Amino acid sequence: EAGVTQSPTHLIKTRGQQATLRCSPISGHTSVYWYQQALGLGLQFLLWYDEGEERNRGNFPPRFSGRQFPNYSSELNVNALELEDSALYLCASSRQGTGNTIYFGEGSWLTVV
Amino acid sequence: DAKTTQPPSMDCAEGRAANLPCNHSTISGNEYVYWYRQIHSQGPQYIIHGLKNNETNEMASLIITEDRKSSTLILPHATLRDTAVYYCIVRVRNYGQNFVFGPGTRLSVLP
Repeated sequence: EAGVTQSPTHLIKTRGQQATLRCSPISGHTSVYWYQQALGLGLQFLLWYDEGEERNRGNFPPRFSGRQFPNYSSELNVNALELEDSALYLCASSRQGTGNTIYFGEGSWLTVV
Repeated sequence: DAKTTQPPSMDCAEGRAANLPCNHSTISGNEYVYWYRQIHSQGPQYIIHGLKNNETNEMASLIITEDRKSSTLILPHATLRDTAVYYCIVRVRNYGQNFVFGPGTRLSVLP
């Protein structure tokens, strides 16, 4: 069974541009979570999507947004990129229901120059 | 979700058991203890979770004290590939509850 897959692995953008990161959850998982991990720092919760809806959001500005598609894959968009957005962006997925352990992908490295 | 406290770093000799402690003195009755690890610049890997009974799987054992205020993750025969940051998280097993990651313990397995 394939795990959570993320693309691209690495992305370099210029300040002010937009970045789009993609995530495919484990088959059968309906929830997708996004986390940001800046270099040397901890994981910060960004967004949770389930059944196509945004269910919860971390303490990030509105220029961080995303969506979930009917096949449960998800996209994270970061607008008006700032240098401090440079980080590892991690996607995780889980099954619907209680006791839902989340499983992470390998992440997408975003570098803003 | 209850707050956890872990030592910032630990060393362990290769082949020996690695015992990683976690304090969660404010844990409530319906909160589970989860462990993940993150090998350098990779996505976190789920290890194990438990409520009050000790748990074991192919990766590790989880020992939870009777009062549930602390737990220990045991890697029975640590290898160099176990060098990673280990995160202890307590959370309610409610649908959609996000996992809150603290700084974790950086385990270095030494040859």
